[in-house]
Amino acid sequence: DVVMTQTPLSLPVSLGDQASISCRSSQSLVHSSGNTYLHWYLQKPGQSPKLLIYKVSNRFSGVPDRFSGSGSGTYFTLKISRVEAEDLGVYFCSQSTHVPFTFGSGTKLEIK
Amino acid sequence: EVKLEESGGGLVQPGGSMKLSCVASGFTFSNYWMNWVRQSPEKGLEWVAEIRLKSNNYATHYAESVKGRFTISRDDSKSSVYLQMNNLRAEDTGIYYCTRPYGNYALWFAYWGQGTLVTVSA
Repeated sequence: DVVMTQTPLSLPVSLGDQASISCRSSQSLVHSSGNTYLHWYLQKPGQSPKLLIYKVSNRFSGVPDRFSGSGSGTYFTLKISRVEAEDLGVYFCSQSTHVPFTFGSGTKLEIK
Repeated sequence: EVKLEESGGGLVQPGGSMKLSCVASGFTFSNYWMNWVRQSPEKGLEWVAEIRLKSNNYATHYAESVKGRFTISRDDSKSSVYLQMNNLRAEDTGIYYCTRPYGNYALWFAYWGQGTLVTVSA
C-alpha cells in the first residue's frame, strides 16, 4: 500500500499567519492517465472530513482561495495564506492513484 | 444538496455481525459509485469498500483487511448503500462513513455522511 507521511503532526499558528503542511508518498502518485490523484481534506472537531483540494491544486466548491495546493510526484504541500478561526482542525492528505486508496495520519492546525 | 445519512452502528461482540445502511439524497444515486471509509484512533482514515453501477454489474472492491468478511451492496430504488460486516474483530472498531466520489472514475471523496460508530468488544 502507498504510505502517506504528513509533517508536521501539529501546527500551532496565530490567526492571520500563513500555514504550510507537507505530504510525502512512498510511491509516485502520477497515474497512467497523466493525472496526479492527491487530495486534501479538513476534519473539524466533531465533524466528518470535508474535501478541500483535489488533484493536487483544484479547490472544491465553496473552498476559499486562501487554500492552495501544489506539488508533484511524491511531494505535496497545502498552504493556507491567512489562517482564520474556522480553519482549525485536522488536515489529511490522500491518494487515489493506487488501490487501495490511502490517507495520511493528519496534521492538527491549532491556535498558538 | 447532497446528503448521506448512515445508521446501524452500535456495540457488537467479537465474531458477531452488523449491517450498516446509508441513505442518500440530493443527487441521482444510481449514477454514482459509492464507498465506505472508516476512522479509528489506531489506524486513522481507512478506505473499506466500493460498489459501482448496474452498468458495471455492481462490481465491488474491498480493502484486504475486510475482504471475505464484509460485503457492500446497494439498492438504487431506495437510494441506499449497505455494508454487511461479519466475523467482526476488535480492530474493526471505528466510525464508518458513507462517501460519494466527485464523479465515477474521479475517485476523491467529495461528500461524506456524519458517520456511525461501530464498537467491537466483549
